[in-house]
Amino acid sequence: QQQVKQSPQSLIVQKGGISIINCAYENTAFDYFPWYQQFPGKGPALLIAIRPDVSEKKEGRFTISFNKSAKQFSLHIMDSQPGDSATYFCAATGETSGSRLTFGEGTQLTVNP
Amino acid sequence: NAGVTQTPKFRILKIGQSMTLQCTQDMNHNYMYWYRQDPGMGLKLIYYSVGAGITDKGEVPNGYNVSRSTTEDFPLRLELAAPSQTSVYFCASSSGQNYGYTFGSGTRLTVV
Repeated sequence: QQQVKQSPQSLIVQKGGISIINCAYENTAFDYFPWYQQFPGKGPALLIAIRPDVSEKKEGRFTISFNKSAKQFSLHIMDSQPGDSATYFCAATGETSGSRLTFGEGTQLTVNP
Repeated sequence: NAGVTQTPKFRILKIGQSMTLQCTQDMNHNYMYWYRQDPGMGLKLIYYSVGAGITDKGEVPNGYNVSRSTTEDFPLRLELAAPSQTSVYFCASSSGQNYGYTFGSGTRLTVV
């Protein structure tokens, strides 16, 4: 019930391409879905987040798409750049989880120049 | 603001030794967390705290202990280090439910 499944495990994209990372969750009580970006040797940093009252949220080149009925959400990185190369984690939480985030396993993104 | 500060950044322990990983935040956040991250794996919650004097177990608490005597500090104690505790440890804080976490830069621990 608390799992968040993330795919793919790794992703290689050419500069200028679109990177897409998918997550699926089981707990219907989840109501907050953040994405974190982690560079090597650093802690994860909040990138963008969405609540289920909207189906899409866009911040610059980063967009979250949310499908409540399918219990899925995804991160789209438009015009991917080598500087976007990092590990991305999806996460979820809700009232039954208190303040605790459940994280996906992570996706290592490499953007080739 | 410094955010979340973790010390030390690196540490090598021998099996059976003990140590305390320090975590301090200056954002007056009530919620604090300890995660471990193994290579190619996600973040696993060890312990968390919703306020000073209150702590609770996460997914993987065995072999660890925590305390929360002040809002700012949330140290993680390893009593008898084992090779299975070789990992990168992250401390995080948040202002409350459904708010993003702020992570520290991590402590890389090797137990040999």
